[in-house]
Amino acid sequence: EDQVTQSPEALRLQEGESSSLNCSYTVSGLRGLFWYRQDPGKGPEFLFTLYSAGEEKEKERLKATLTKKESFLHITAPKPEDSATYLCAVFSGGYQKVTFGTGTKLQVIP
Amino acid sequence: DAGITQSPRHKVTETGTPVTLRCHQTENHRYMYWYRQDPGHGLRLIHYSYGVKDTDKGEVSDGYSVSRSKTEDFLLTLESATSSQTSVYFCAISESDGGQPQHFGDGTRLSIL
Repeated sequence: EDQVTQSPEALRLQEGESSSLNCSYTVSGLRGLFWYRQDPGKGPEFLFTLYSAGEEKEKERLKATLTKKESFLHITAPKPEDSATYLCAVFSGGYQKVTFGTGTKLQVIP
Repeated sequence: DAGITQSPRHKVTETGTPVTLRCHQTENHRYMYWYRQDPGHGLRLIHYSYGVKDTDKGEVSDGYSVSRSKTEDFLLTLESATSSQTSVYFCAISESDGGQPQHFGDGTRLSIL
């Protein structure tokens, strides 16, 4: 059974204080790993797809990396508007098999 | 903006009543999904569709049915709602040929008393 574990569950940062969120996974045949951002009362917003170990993607202050066992979402000099819950999900073989983690709730304090 | 609208946004109903949630997309994407989101669980797939009248089950499909008579609309029905189906329900679409839900609606918060 595919498993996705995100840590920490919650993270509080000062504005400008860089940090990383972790997504560790166990899957049989990774086809892709996805990162989403979710604001309260909203649906997830797609951020990145990573397909193979060593791949990196960047968007503004966010950078996602992937190894064979985990992915990191690095947040550089965060701003209060980066506050959200960040979700990780893995896509493995078979029918539409996407397994989501429970998310990391990030709060950035001015 | 992927143009996904869910209705209703909030609903309170009683155990044993039928409930239908609607998802409407403004673009003609082939793949549409229904997920539920509960505290302590990641998003879980209920059903998905890969075309008009083409649907399949996800990991938590018991107690739910779906229909897709038009490309733009995907309906989720709880035939006889139970308290365990209290949740936030999200519709999603995939711009690619399935696999990854890329755009989500803003959800329907359903409470079953």
